[in-house]
Amino acid sequence: ETGVTQSPTHLIKTRGQQVTLRCSSQSGHNTVSWYQQALGQGPQFIFQYYREEENGRGNFPPRFSGLQFPNYSSELNVNALELDDSALYLCASRDATGELFFGEGSRLTVL
Amino acid sequence: EDQVTQSPEALRLQEGESSSLNCSYTVSGLRGLFWYRQDPGKGPEFLFTLYSAGEEKEKERLKATLTKKESFLHITAPKPEDSATYLCAVQALGLEEKLTFGTGTRLTIIP
Repeated sequence: ETGVTQSPTHLIKTRGQQVTLRCSSQSGHNTVSWYQQALGQGPQFIFQYYREEENGRGNFPPRFSGLQFPNYSSELNVNALELDDSALYLCASRDATGELFFGEGSRLTVL
Repeated sequence: EDQVTQSPEALRLQEGESSSLNCSYTVSGLRGLFWYRQDPGKGPEFLFTLYSAGEEKEKERLKATLTKKESFLHITAPKPEDSATYLCAVQALGLEEKLTFGTGTRLTIIP
């Protein structure tokens, strides 16, 4: 049990649609980060939020956006879905010991 | 740009046959090197963080070591339940939580 909870676990969308993925952390740490993991690859950093502000971003276009709420939960939004957006989306946060833990992920399939 | 290379890509061992996984890295300034275990369709499970060359950490049958250029994950007398993909990641000095991952080593332990 990592204390990082993601929803939904699986979802299917069609090209051009929009999707929202959610993450919550029991520890209530100030920073949350999101990663995309394509099949057979390592996770790729999308962005991170600190105290409700984005303060770091990887090589992802603006149609990938996020929110962090005062209760430290977070959302990842992806607009104008493309087939290549099919992946496992992971949320990560630090626990009370300071180590970085991941949730179980949301598996997105774009048809 | 930070880079992580893991080898081998896949490794099959007999139960009880010890071996090592390699993680070579380049990073502007190392804040930490991470090892995670990932089962199919699941999020990465935290194993170790190493911070400086010469550091070693152990957990059950796993031992992680770190030099200035690479890290090894030694697995001693593995069991079938150790079968998984093992991911290595580095975090550079700075404000970002960003981890740069390798593509992983897929380990299979044969009973």
